[in-house]
Amino acid sequence: DTGVSQDPRHKITKRGQNVTFRCDPISEHNRLYWYRQTLGQGPEFLTYFQNEAQLEKSRLLSDRFSAERPKGSFSTLEIQRTEQGDSAMYLCASSFSEVGEAFFGQGTRLTVV
Amino acid sequence: AQSVTQPDIHITVSEGASLELRCNYSYGATPYLFWYVQSPGQGLQLLLKYFSGDTLVQGIKGFEAEFKRSQSSFNLRKPSVHWSDAAEYFCAVFDQGGSEKLVFGKGTKLTVNP
Repeated sequence: DTGVSQDPRHKITKRGQNVTFRCDPISEHNRLYWYRQTLGQGPEFLTYFQNEAQLEKSRLLSDRFSAERPKGSFSTLEIQRTEQGDSAMYLCASSFSEVGEAFFGQGTRLTVV
Repeated sequence: AQSVTQPDIHITVSEGASLELRCNYSYGATPYLFWYVQSPGQGLQLLLKYFSGDTLVQGIKGFEAEFKRSQSSFNLRKPSVHWSDAAEYFCAVFDQGGSEKLVFGKGTKLTVNP
């Protein structure tokens, strides 16, 4: 296992289009997190899953955002009707327990033009 | 709400010099604390963590950090910086009290001069 994998690494989309990102966590990890990072800022929490259950969503996660983790394996983050303000790095992380030592993927950089 | 403050946005040091990056947290109970490093365009790599016990923790790449409860601080140190240490460094606290997630500071960008 080579760590947390995210796909794609880069995505350029036109405003109003839908985009979907995928995250494959480390295989034995039961927790999966999504964060968003804008230039000059630290990662901001979006949502997390314990196995297949989505346990929390940040207020940052508007109705245009949805995340799934079917069968507790990989996860997808979809953004509908993208806006320029959605341009950011989207980071996925996984951990084995609730203690918080999270391992991050390399991120998906989204640019909305 | 739990929060992390990294007072220095940008620090420049010469190669071979010592380094200290500051981190202050706001958390009621014993915190779980982390330092991560991020190279440009990359994800975050864990440098070290503090859960309990010895307040001086050792990490990878020669980094260490000291937990000081009285000062609510968890500063990162390295005795001799290498050019490859140039990156952005993030301090984080794990919010155990309900919303179980990492809360990050805004980061400190480290530049290393030759």
